[in-house]
Amino acid sequence: GAVVSQHPSRVICKSGTSVKIECRSLDFQATTMFWYRQFPKQSLMLMATSNEGSKATYEQGVEKDKFLINHASLTLSTLTVTSAHPEDSSFYICSARVGGVGIRETQYFGPGTRLLVL
Amino acid sequence: AQKITQTQPGMFVQEKEAVTLDCTYDTSDQSYGLFWYKQPSSGEMIFLIYQGSYDEQNATEGRYSLNFQKARKSANLVISASQLGDSAMYFCASRTASKLTFGTGTRLQVTL
Repeated sequence: GAVVSQHPSRVICKSGTSVKIECRSLDFQATTMFWYRQFPKQSLMLMATSNEGSKATYEQGVEKDKFLINHASLTLSTLTVTSAHPEDSSFYICSARVGGVGIRETQYFGPGTRLLVL
Repeated sequence: AQKITQTQPGMFVQEKEAVTLDCTYDTSDQSYGLFWYKQPSSGEMIFLIYQGSYDEQNATEGRYSLNFQKARKSANLVISASQLGDSAMYFCASRTASKLTFGTGTRLQVTL
């Protein structure tokens, strides 16, 4: 299957700092990537859809100025958590659309990034 | 809006036995896709199986099969010949043209 990587896998930062998470498609080009957040023992919640060369589409309730998304190339999307606070501590996971059109498209996920804000 | 319901927070199965993980969905869309993902403790989401709303046959992928009952809006995952490595969280998800919506997951524990 398609391989999606994320970096870093784990990050601890101080409150008020910004953290950048990278999502890469390793063996394919991804015009669309997705960013999810997962709190402990909960399901994945879509934060935003990242489109190469255009602005990201954010889900309702997600602050676009706090969670900056840049999809500068067909293989890389970045999520920057700006001025992180302890409540931003979570598991952030990206995915890339692979193949198919509409409902038949499959999403392959990266290994996720655990963010802890102290 | 889509809603996915997984009513089993946790399941146990003995090694080599089969297990069924339940999933029901609620969507007003005529065209949709149904997915199952496995999430081990490492956190990675692993794609297992896909079923399209217009697919007449139930999907199968190795030891995984999807019991799709459209009228009941259910898409249960059947894992045959369970292995210790199958212990993980399992998420059912649905998608219309817009986005993927996940259920709350079922934690499966395979025992000896």
